Amino acid sequence: ETGVTQTPRHLVMGMTNKKSLKCEQHLGHNAMYWYKQSAKKPLELMFVYNFKEQTENNSVPSRFSPECPNSSHLFLHLHTLQPEDSALYLCASSQEGGPNQPQHFGDGTRLSIL
Amino acid sequence: QKEVEQNSGPLSVPEGAIASLNCTYSDRGSQSFFWYRQYSGKSPELIMFIYSNGDKEDGRFTAQLNKASQYVSLLIRDSQPSDSATYLCAVIPLTGNQFYFGTGTSLTVIP
Repeated sequence: ETGVTQTPRHLVMGMTNKKSLKCEQHLGHNAMYWYKQSAKKPLELMFVYNFKEQTENNSVPSRFSPECPNSSHLFLHLHTLQPEDSALYLCASSQEGGPNQPQHFGDGTRLSIL
Repeated sequence: QKEVEQNSGPLSVPEGAIASLNCTYSDRGSQSFFWYRQYSGKSPELIMFIYSNGDKEDGRFTAQLNKASQYVSLLIRDSQPSDSATYLCAVIPLTGNQFYFGTGTSLTVIP
């Protein structure tokens, strides 16, 4: 059983819908991350939370809104998405948000925008 | 600009051979290096990390780091068909705490 759990595993939504992705980590880590993985492209870091505080926002469009209520849970709220947002969204966690800290990934949410 | 480059492959090796995967990075100050394995439809799984120049061995896997030449490699000895996957190289630069990933190298081990 993975230490990082993501739900749902698959999501199909229209461009006008609002949905949320959920991530929960059971590793006792203090840093959590959202990544986007598209075909033939490197994993793209979207957001970083360290001790519940957002420390990185890599120029992500405002139609993606993260929320981190505690160190174990991370959400990605979606609204008015575009077809190019279809991708695999991966959540990861690490002990702390610093160097030399391996990240552990969840199985991802496969998102398809109609 | 912090870039991590990998040969996308596909790399094919026969079962039992040594698979060699390479990664170069542009930020000379990078300090932490990670190798992840990703099976199709699955999440990246950490295989090894290395921080110091030289070799680090873990079972059939050996990571090699050469900071002067700015490359890190992963050797897989006695390759098995179950090693067939995409291998992602990730680098943390001197400044900042975020990972920069390469596009990955697809490895196929032929029985």
